[in-house]
Amino acid sequence: DTGVSQDPRHKITKRGQNVTFRCDPISEHNRLYWYRQTLGQGPEFLTYFQNEAQLEKSRLLSDRFSAERPKGSFSTLEIQRTEQGDSAMYLCASSLSFRNYGYTFGSGTRLTVV
Amino acid sequence: QKEVEQNSGPLSVPEGAIASLNCTYSDRGSQSFFWYRQYSGKSPELIMSIYSNGDKEDGRFTAQLNKASQYVSLLIRDSQPSDSATYLCAVNIGNNNDMRFGAGTRLTVKP
Repeated sequence: DTGVSQDPRHKITKRGQNVTFRCDPISEHNRLYWYRQTLGQGPEFLTYFQNEAQLEKSRLLSDRFSAERPKGSFSTLEIQRTEQGDSAMYLCASSLSFRNYGYTFGSGTRLTVV
Repeated sequence: QKEVEQNSGPLSVPEGAIASLNCTYSDRGSQSFFWYRQYSGKSPELIMSIYSNGDKEDGRFTAQLNKASQYVSLLIRDSQPSDSATYLCAVNIGNNNDMRFGAGTRLTVKP
């Protein structure tokens, strides 16, 4: 396990459909983060887990978004009733010690809502 | 005021020159500062971290931090065309364990 894995890499969905993304962090990392990035912008924080506990969720995050990290390993991010404004790159990152190592990002899932 | 601000650029420098990238942040309680490089279509890659005032050097990269001025910078010496990318400044905000990112500065190094 050499990095953070995200699946799928690309997702095209029709407006109103539900989508789910998966993230597998580096195995020894206990912290997992979800970010969203649109063209020309930096990553925008969505939510954060330490082990299986979801410790923070962005106030900007609609209740259509939900994330889980059962057993403190992989995580899923679900978007219900997708809207065109949800089109973005969804990035997952993990870390062992925030202060010393920063984050390692996965390759991201690019979502296109048509 | 945005939590993390960067000059959006684009910044263009000739090969071999020094590229200077700047970042300011709003939260005086921030303790950890990072620079990420992001190639087009790729995810961000951590290149530097800095926690104390002053300079931190790693190869051709130097990060500078001034907490009193709430200012972080990244210098790239002997810039190479392969350094052409978007550079993201990231700062932890207050006591949160999450980071806030600037919008990024796009750097082009011309041969």
